[in-house]
Amino acid sequence: GAVVSQHPSRVICKSGTSVKIECRSLDFQATTMFWYRQFPKQSLMLMATSNEGSKATYEQGVEKDKFLINHASLTLSTLTVTSAHPEDSSFYICSARDRVEQYFGPGTRLTVT
Amino acid sequence: DAKTTQPPSMDCAEGRAANLPCNHSTISGNEYVYWYRQIHSQGPQYIIHGLKNNETNEMASLIITEDRKSSTLILPHATLRDTAVYYCIVRVAFAGTASKLTFGTGTRLQVTL
Repeated sequence: GAVVSQHPSRVICKSGTSVKIECRSLDFQATTMFWYRQFPKQSLMLMATSNEGSKATYEQGVEKDKFLINHASLTLSTLTVTSAHPEDSSFYICSARDRVEQYFGPGTRLTVT
Repeated sequence: DAKTTQPPSMDCAEGRAANLPCNHSTISGNEYVYWYRQIHSQGPQYIIHGLKNNETNEMASLIITEDRKSSTLILPHATLRDTAVYYCIVRVAFAGTASKLTFGTGTRLQVTL
């Protein structure tokens, strides 16, 4: 089946710094990519939807200037958490969709100290 | 997309069938029933989906009632590796739409010896 990778798998950063997370579709071209966030013992919450070459659409309550999404190609999307704070510590999961189905990456555990 | 209701948790003995129910009484005629699962600290994994007919694949069976207001995911011989949170999601088909996967709280299945 289709594979979606994320890098890094886990990252620890200091408060105030920025962190970039990459999401790649390895064997298919993703027309749309999604970014989710999951806090401990909670469900996945959709943060934003991005289409290649256009601006991302953010869900209500998600700060677009804090969570920068770039979808420069059909196989790569990046999420940059700018000026990270401890409350941004979470499990970030990307998802990529081809013409038919949606596939999920393994997730990135972000810890902000 | 229609809302779903699932029990928060279930237990199942290893080797027995696990039957996970889902209510989706407001499902529309063009909405499919999808099942994903999430093993701890991993991204969601697709299991199966259906529109109105029962479906079976190598992982599970999906039984949809005739009125489509509820469904049951069946893992025929549960193993310890099936311990996960199982999400039932209803949505329109992806192709040609901007449909998003929205996750509810799911059912936490614990498979025991």
